[in-house]
Amino acid sequence: ETGVTQSPTHLIKTRGQQVTLRCSSQSGHNTVSWYQQALGQGPQFIFQYYREEENGRGNFPPRFSGLQFPNYSSELNVNALELDDSALYLCASSYPTGAAFFGQGTRLTVV
Amino acid sequence: GESVGLHLPTLSVQEGDNSIINCAYSNSASDYFIWYKQESGKGPQFIIDIRSNMDKRQGQRVTVLLNKTVKHLSLQIAATQPGDSAVYFCAETPPGGSTLGRLYFGRGTQLTVWP
Repeated sequence: ETGVTQSPTHLIKTRGQQVTLRCSSQSGHNTVSWYQQALGQGPQFIFQYYREEENGRGNFPPRFSGLQFPNYSSELNVNALELDDSALYLCASSYPTGAAFFGQGTRLTVV
Repeated sequence: GESVGLHLPTLSVQEGDNSIINCAYSNSASDYFIWYKQESGKGPQFIIDIRSNMDKRQGQRVTVLLNKTVKHLSLQIAATQPGDSAVYFCAETPPGGSTLGRLYFGRGTQLTVWP
């Protein structure tokens, strides 16, 4: 167990809806990163938060947004859901330059 | 942009044999590499990491080798067990700036261990 927990584990949403995914980081880790993993692919970096500030972003549109809270937990918000947003969403916590430890992921299905 | 690829998408080995999983990376400036194991329906699990100032690092039953000359990374698993069956990813981190801490993953290699 990594100590990184994500909720919910599974979620079904309708196209056009909004979704919020949550992540509690491993104790002591002040950096949280979010990844999207499509079926059969490696995880793709969405963005990273360090001390409540966004600290780098991958090639994802602005409808993907996030927050980090003072306790270092984090949220990923996706607006105007599209069918292609169906994926496993992974949260990873770390120190800024250390190994990232992943949660079990949230399986999002958009119908 | 940076990319990490794997030579073989699938690898089948017999229980007890050694496994070698290969990975090529494209950014010669990347300075930190991690191997992850991902079982079906789960998040990636950290196996071992290595920094660019090293060429070899050993863990429990695993060894990572880094060849910076040809930008190649490998994961060796000794005495492979059925529980090692999973998809293995290598990931690289480019140095500093806005990319600090972000990981770039390859497609992964499916390791299957048969009795």
